[in-house]
Amino acid sequence: EAQVTQNPRYLITVTGKKLTVTCSQNMNHEYMSWYRQDPGLGLRQIYYSMNVEVTDKGDVPEGYKVSRKEKRNFPLILESPSPNQTSLYFCASRNRRGGYTDTQYFGPGTRLTVL
Amino acid sequence: GIQVEQSPPDLILQEGANSTLRCNFSDSVNNLQWFHQNPWGQLINLFYIPSGTKQNGRLSATTVATERYSLLYISSSQTTDSGVYFCAVEGRMGNTPLVFGKGTRLSVIA
Repeated sequence: EAQVTQNPRYLITVTGKKLTVTCSQNMNHEYMSWYRQDPGLGLRQIYYSMNVEVTDKGDVPEGYKVSRKEKRNFPLILESPSPNQTSLYFCASRNRRGGYTDTQYFGPGTRLTVL
Repeated sequence: GIQVEQSPPDLILQEGANSTLRCNFSDSVNNLQWFHQNPWGQLINLFYIPSGTKQNGRLSATTVATERYSLLYISSSQTTDSGVYFCAVEGRMGNTPLVFGKGTRLSVIA
């Protein structure tokens, strides 16, 4: 089954304790991205990657890191989480066709609480 | 950058009613999608529709690219249609992040 998977689905942690949220897709998509969703602010992009070893900042990259060492994986790293990073996080992927991209698929989401 | 506006922001329907959700965008697009976020938070693809008309069961969508809007039609609504509907676009430059509207929150009551 074609899908985007994220782990963990739920996480409660404390300020300053490094964490990684994993994201994997099995559709051989080139384009992957991370979003956070907060009430009243909608979906905001954190980072995106157009291919292996190519990453770019989105709208709200502060406090986050990403890496794209393999095509299928795009982990999100919070080196020193703070309470304002409490949010619902989504990973997404889509294919590229020449100069534009195709249907975007989302993972199930990770609900993160930082105390 | 490209702007996306959705209307109405909120909609309450009786089960069985029909509805039309609108998405306006400020520039030419390569990619336009409609998503449904269910009450459990999952974001589900509904349509990939940069132009033209598509139908999937009780849902259909039309994008008029030259006039920069898209419409999502829900017919014979059911309680399971409740949630938030998002429109997202990618500008003509291509290979750029999808820009999301703020969504339409739909509540279907029995």
